[in-house]
Amino acid sequence: GAVVSQHPSWVICKSGTSVKIECRSLDFQATTMFWYRQFPKQSLMLMATSNEGSKATYEQGVEKDKFLINHASLTLSTLTVTSAHPEDSSFYICSASGFRGRDNEQFFGPGTRLTVL
Amino acid sequence: KNEVEQSPQNLTAQEGEFITINCSYSVGISALHWLQQHPGGGIVSLFMLSSGKKKHGRLIATINIQEKHSSLHITASHPRDSAVYICAVSGGGSEKLVFGKGTKLTVNP
Repeated sequence: GAVVSQHPSWVICKSGTSVKIECRSLDFQATTMFWYRQFPKQSLMLMATSNEGSKATYEQGVEKDKFLINHASLTLSTLTVTSAHPEDSSFYICSASGFRGRDNEQFFGPGTRLTVL
Repeated sequence: KNEVEQSPQNLTAQEGEFITINCSYSVGISALHWLQQHPGGGIVSLFMLSSGKKKHGRLIATINIQEKHSSLHITASHPRDSAVYICAVSGGGSEKLVFGKGTKLTVNP
């Protein structure tokens, strides 16, 4: 149980294009989903928290117009990196909570490696 | 100073050795989490604990709330245990996690 998937697992795009990353909870309805970014050899950095049907809450310093988050259902959240630039290249990981009453426990997706040329 | 400190930063062991990774935190928490991140990047939640001790297979996690300290132990370590182990805490009514910088474990055959 508590499986979270991400798609795609890796993506290469040209500078200026937009990239959408999907995060799905496969076997449970996620009350909350989280989006993280991780630079090489560094720990995860929380970008935003999203709840189904409401606007995402962004962490300080994260541009909400650049990183669009849509949480359309209890099993799907998407992160769109708009007008991507090389500095957006990173490893993006989502997590979801709400599995069978195990509050506060987050289950992580496998991550998406984004490379912007 | 980070709110969550882990030690050691890097750890190399021989197969079969007993491993201990430490985590200290400076804030009030509702739970402490131990996560494992493999070289491919995927993260697995190993434990979430708020008191005492938990055991799963060869992994044991303990927490001392008064001392604000937790340890992750691996018994009979194996090369497949090689990964980055991350300590994270949640609290203050929020699900947000505050992460340590991780401990990179390499177990040699």
